[in-house]
Amino acid sequence: EAGVTQFPSHSVIEKGQTVTLRCDPISGHDNLYWYRRVMGKEIKFLLHFVKESKQDESGMPNNRFLAERTGGTYSTLKVQPAELEDSGVYFCASSPLPGQGSEQYFGPGTRLTVT
Amino acid sequence: AQSVTQPDIHITVSEGASLELRCNYSYGATPYLFWYVQSPGQGLQLLLKYFSGDTLVQGIKGFEAEFKRSQSSFNLRKPSVHWSDAAEYFCAVGMEYGNKLVFGAGTILRVKS
Repeated sequence: EAGVTQFPSHSVIEKGQTVTLRCDPISGHDNLYWYRRVMGKEIKFLLHFVKESKQDESGMPNNRFLAERTGGTYSTLKVQPAELEDSGVYFCASSPLPGQGSEQYFGPGTRLTVT
Repeated sequence: AQSVTQPDIHITVSEGASLELRCNYSYGATPYLFWYVQSPGQGLQLLLKYFSGDTLVQGIKGFEAEFKRSQSSFNLRKPSVHWSDAAEYFCAVGMEYGNKLVFGAGTILRVKS
């Protein structure tokens, strides 16, 4: 069974540009999560999809970030326009079950560098 | 507010020595606790988790963790460290609603031969 995949693995963009990150969850996992780790800080929750619906987007930092999950399969996270403070590693995770304590399976992350 | 503290940013141990990584949490309800490990170039892998019951939890790769409610701690242990254990370790608590995870800052483990 394929794990969670993320594309690209690395992205270097200039301030003001747009970047789109993609996450493919494990097949059949209805729950999809985005997290971000800014250098030297904790991994922080961004948002949670259940199928194609946003269940919780309380961690999204501002309206420059837009997440979608059309059709309830893969998800994209767009940053437009990117700022220097957006640099970090963006992790995606998926889970088959919604309940507290269900294991989340993480992808390898996308390292975003904004210069 | 919910939080997780990992007081040690870096730890270095000799191969074959025992290991304990500390984790303290702050959470008002019943905590669901996790330890994840991230090796270079890899995603986070679940080592073990605690929901209820026996406070000593066994995980993969020979790791175990003990939940101590009185100390709000969930320390990770391994009796004998292998060079392949060098990685970054994250403690996390799962929220009741939606199961989002709150992570500690991570502890980088170095293993010296």
